[in-house]
Amino acid sequence: TQLLEQSPQFLSIQEGENLTVYCNSSSVFSSLQWYRQEPGEGPVLLVTVVTGGEVKKLKRLTFQFGDARKDSSLHITAAQPGDTGLYLCAGVGYGGSQGNLIFGKGTKLSVKP
Amino acid sequence: EPEVTQTPSHQVTQMGQEVILRCVPISNHLYFYWYRQILGQKVEFLVSFYNNEISEKSEIFDDQFSVERPDGSNFTLKIRSTKLEDSAMYFCASSDFDDSYNSPLHFGNGTRLTVT
Repeated sequence: TQLLEQSPQFLSIQEGENLTVYCNSSSVFSSLQWYRQEPGEGPVLLVTVVTGGEVKKLKRLTFQFGDARKDSSLHITAAQPGDTGLYLCAGVGYGGSQGNLIFGKGTKLSVKP
Repeated sequence: EPEVTQTPSHQVTQMGQEVILRCVPISNHLYFYWYRQILGQKVEFLVSFYNNEISEKSEIFDDQFSVERPDGSNFTLKIRSTKLEDSAMYFCASSDFDDSYNSPLHFGNGTRLTVT
């Protein structure tokens, strides 16, 4: 069974601080996605990474896919209260179908003003 | 921007009752999915549906579950005889290709099912 472990589970920081969220597995994934989920809503896709070592930036968010495609990280620079939310990583298993996403448990981020 | 819409937002039912959760996927999408999230746990894949048939299902999706696209717009999940452990948030999703890189899943806001 392929698993994605996210850490930390909870993160509470002050506005302006930097943070990194990790998503790790012992399995290889053909692609990995990061979602943000607000209370009472469904996950909303932030980014998809496909190539080992790939780095993508979305304003103050930087996403990286590990060289071996077993792990990924999300780095937020100068966090703002609007970044507060649940961040989920989800992967497509190697040889798996594209719609069968394996999710991590999420990192609940709270950014205090 | 087009959205996936789910109704109802909250459904309460008694154990043993049948429930139907409804979804209206984005209109030009061809691939449809159901996921669930038990409180405090991971989002889990249930089933994918394409061309009027199930293309893949997980171990969770047993004989108590069924899906249907009864018309050109709705996509439903039926639970035949609900159990307490079916209490969860159920998310519908859709995509236009079977390629998560070029055609990501769009999720609805979910139906919270409470089985008492």
